[in-house]
Amino acid sequence: EVLLLQSGAEVKKPGESLKISCQASGYSFNNFWIGWVRQMPGKGLDWMAIIYPGDSETRYNPSFQGQVTISADKSNTTAFLHWGSVRASDTAIYYCARLPPTIGLGFDFWGQGIPVTVSS
Amino acid sequence: DIQMTQSPSSVSASVGDRVTITCQASQNIATWLAWYQQKPGKAPKLLIYAASSLQTGVPSRFSGSGSGTDFALTISNLQPEDFATYYCQRVDNFVALTFGGGTKLEIK
Repeated sequence: EVLLLQSGAEVKKPGESLKISCQASGYSFNNFWIGWVRQMPGKGLDWMAIIYPGDSETRYNPSFQGQVTISADKSNTTAFLHWGSVRASDTAIYYCARLPPTIGLGFDFWGQGIPVTVSS
Repeated sequence: DIQMTQSPSSVSASVGDRVTITCQASQNIATWLAWYQQKPGKAPKLLIYAASSLQTGVPSRFSGSGSGTDFALTISNLQPEDFATYYCQRVDNFVALTFGGGTKLEIK
C-alpha cells in the first residue's frame, strides 16, 4: 500500500526557518517524482516543486523558486520542503504527493497535509 | 506560461443530476490533463488522468473528455458524496504542473 505520511502541524514566527517532511512507503521511492502543493486558506491548489529522488533532479514553480528548497533522503524515503525565513503569507496547508515518471498521469497519491501557521 | 481556466467557479445541483465542469488551457496540451476531487479538510484525490482515463477505484459515473485546449469532467447521477471541489491540472510535462482555479459543486 502506497502511503505518504507527513509531519505534524507547525506554528512559526515571521523570519523563522521551517522544514516539513513527507515519508513515503509501499513503492520504489527512487523511481517516482514527489512534489509539494500549497493550499492557502479558502483557496485553490498551487504546485510548488517536485524532486526525482533517484538522481535528485528538481523542478520549481517560478513563483516559489528561491523561496523554498525541496530535497529528499533516499535512505529514509523522505522528502522535505525547507524555508529559510517564513512570512505570514506562507500560512497554508502543504501537501506532498507522488507523481509517476510518465507524462499525463497526475499526482496519484497524496499525504494528509501539514497546516502551517506563521504569525507574530 | 500556460493558464488553466475552469468554469463555472461554482455550481449547484441535486442528487441524481448530471453535471459538467469545463477546463480550458491557454495552449495545446494534447490529452495531458488530470482531474481531482477535494472534500473539506481532506487531501485532493485523483479521479481522471490523460483527460479520459478513470483512476482505479473511481466510480464510473465520473468521466472525462477533451483534447488540445478544451476539456470537461462530467458526473452522471450525482451522489451525496460527490459534492466537493474539483480541480483540473495540466500534466504535459515535469516543469509546469499548473492547476485550474477549482469548481465548487454544491447541493441545490
